[in-house]
Amino acid sequence: NAGVTQTPKFQVLKTGQSMTLQCAQDMNHNSMYWYRQDPGMGLRLIYYSASEGTTDKGEVPNGYNVSRLNKREFSLRLESAAPSQTSVYFCASSGDYLLTDTQYFGPGTRLTVL
Amino acid sequence: GNSVTQMEGPVTLSEEAFLTINCTYTATGYPSLFWYVQYPGEGLQLLLKATKADDKGSNKGFEATYRKETTSFHLEKGSVQVSDSAVYFCALSVGGSEKLVFGKGMKLTVNP
Repeated sequence: NAGVTQTPKFQVLKTGQSMTLQCAQDMNHNSMYWYRQDPGMGLRLIYYSASEGTTDKGEVPNGYNVSRLNKREFSLRLESAAPSQTSVYFCASSGDYLLTDTQYFGPGTRLTVL
Repeated sequence: GNSVTQMEGPVTLSEEAFLTINCTYTATGYPSLFWYVQYPGEGLQLLLKATKADDKGSNKGFEATYRKETTSFHLEKGSVQVSDSAVYFCALSVGGSEKLVFGKGMKLTVNP
């Protein structure tokens, strides 16, 4: 049981390049999330998916797109990377709609945009 | 809106010292409260949680009590270890939503 996996672990892009961050979970969770973590800012929600086939914007969605490919996979795409998108990106998942549910996090992707 | 305010640090303690990390919240509904921990180079993992007033969450020697009257959820540990060095995040969720609102995190370093 791998939990939540993310690829790649590290990435360096030039301004204007595009890339897709991949996330997969093997816990049969309905909900999945993408966060970014910046120094002094905590974690901020970019997009989330409450179930397969649905996605919604979080706090900081500009410059990103997402795809919930199936129940397991939730990808984050940067169409035209900017230096302001230099950050550590975390994917998470959670199991159901109970108030007390827990989010499980992947190990993160460290992205640098030059 | 919903928000979490916590001590930001960084904080450095000696092994076996007492730890308190303050966390207060603002919520439009009746929140569930969480503490997550992030060890160096890793993702976040749940440390403990509480879902109603006066509940106490506990794990690995850490404790936090849900205080509705003071809108607080302070994290405590009586004797920290070097292995507790990490970043600690307070968080809440409201109204059946699984979305979390995080505080900014506090980096703790424990020296031997």
